[in-house]
Amino acid sequence: NAGVTQTPKFRILKIGQSMTLQCTQDMNHNYMYWYRQDPGMGLKLIYYSVGAGITDKGEVPNGYNVSRSTTEDFPLRLELAAPSQTSVYFCASRPGTGTYEQYFGPGTRLTVT
Amino acid sequence: AQSVTQLDSHVSVSEGTPVLLRCNYSSSYSPSLFWYVQHPNKGLQLLLKYTSAATLVKGINGFEAEFKKSETSFHLTKPSAHMSDAAEYFCVVSGTRDDKIIFGKGTRLHILP
Repeated sequence: NAGVTQTPKFRILKIGQSMTLQCTQDMNHNYMYWYRQDPGMGLKLIYYSVGAGITDKGEVPNGYNVSRSTTEDFPLRLELAAPSQTSVYFCASRPGTGTYEQYFGPGTRLTVT
Repeated sequence: AQSVTQLDSHVSVSEGTPVLLRCNYSSSYSPSLFWYVQHPNKGLQLLLKYTSAATLVKGINGFEAEFKKSETSFHLTKPSAHMSDAAEYFCVVSGTRDDKIIFGKGTRLHILP
């Protein structure tokens, strides 16, 4: 199993551009998450999904969108990138209700200039 | 509501000396508790987990943690630090009625030669 994979590893965007961060898991997990990590601030939840077709906002959803058309994929869309979105983005998954151990991808480092 | 507090943002120890990273939690229900480790420029990796079995939990790389309900603590320890232990460590609480997963802000562990 590859686990949780994320692409790209690095990206530089200009202000106002858009992009999609890809996340795929091959463990048949129901729950998937997107976090952002800023220096010294821990992880903040952007969006999560409890299954295909179901998504919900986390703590910091503004400026982002997600979709979950399959169990495996959970892409994160940035529209109109802003410098405040410069961060490291992590995707994670877990099996489902009652099992709270999360599996993390390697992260995407995004810079918006 | 649940919360988790990592009492130190930075901890420095000399190689070969004990490590103690402190974590206090608040939960209205029987929690699941986790420690994750993040090495520089990497994703998060599960170090150990407590899920209402034995209160002393052993993890990878010689780390262990003790669940103390009376003190609402889940401190992470290691008898002898190694240079490769230099990383950021996150304490996580979950397992609530609302199915949330709460991350601490992290503790950066520095190992002095």
